[in-house]
Amino acid sequence: AQSVTQPDIHITVSEGASLELRCNYSYGATPYLFWYVQSPGQGLQLLLKYFSGDTLVQGIKGFEAEFKRSQSSFNLRKPSVHWSDAAEYFCAVGAGGSQGNLIFGKGTKLSVKP
Amino acid sequence: DGGITQSPKYLFRKEGQNVTLSCEQNLNHDAMYWYRQDPGQGLRLIYYSQIVNDFQKGDIAEGYSVSREKKESFPLTVTSAQKNPTAFYLCASRRRGGGGASSNEQFFGPGTRLTVL
Repeated sequence: AQSVTQPDIHITVSEGASLELRCNYSYGATPYLFWYVQSPGQGLQLLLKYFSGDTLVQGIKGFEAEFKRSQSSFNLRKPSVHWSDAAEYFCAVGAGGSQGNLIFGKGTKLSVKP
Repeated sequence: DGGITQSPKYLFRKEGQNVTLSCEQNLNHDAMYWYRQDPGQGLRLIYYSQIVNDFQKGDIAEGYSVSREKKESFPLTVTSAQKNPTAFYLCASRRRGGGGASSNEQFFGPGTRLTVL
C-alpha cells in the first residue's frame, strides 16, 4: 500500500537560513508527488508537484523539491527562509488509479526564529 | 475568481445532533473530496465523489454521510454516530481526465472547524 512519511514533526530555523523538509514515500511505480502548505486555520495551498521529467521541480514562494527514485524521497528545500514561511507542510503521493486520491504525510510544522 | 468555499467557518454541535458542512466549487471540477484533520494526524479521507450522484467511502467514513446531487456541491453530514467529531474538516476538488500530476492535483477550501460542546 502507498504511504508517505515525514520524519520531522517540528522544525525550527532562523530567518535567512536554508531549509530542507524530508519526505519519503512508498509506491510501486513512478509516483505523482506533491507538497502543500497550510497556514493555521486555513486550507492547503499547492507549492509544487512532480510527475515525470526533470527531477528538480520549482514551485511557488521560492521553494523547490528534488525527486530521488533510489531513495524514494521528495525533499522540499528553500535557500533562505522568511518569517512568513512559518506554517505546516504536507507531502502527498497520488494513490494511483482513476480515483486520483492522494495519500498525505502527517505534516511538518515549521517555526521561524527572527 | 474560481475556487472552493466552505461554510460555516466555525460550527458547534451538541451531543446527539447531526450537522451538515457545506462545500461548493465553481472550478467545474468533477471530483470532490472530504478530509478530516486532527493535530499530528495529517489528512484522512472521509468520502469522495468522482461524478454527480456517485460517491465512495474513504478511510474513515463511519459516522459521516454525503450527497452529490449537483456537480458544484458536496455537503458532508456529521451524524450522531460519529463519536469524536471535533476536528478541522477540509473539502477539495480535482479536475478529472488528462494525465500527469495536474489531473491529480487537488484544490482545497478554507476548512470548517467543528467543535462538540
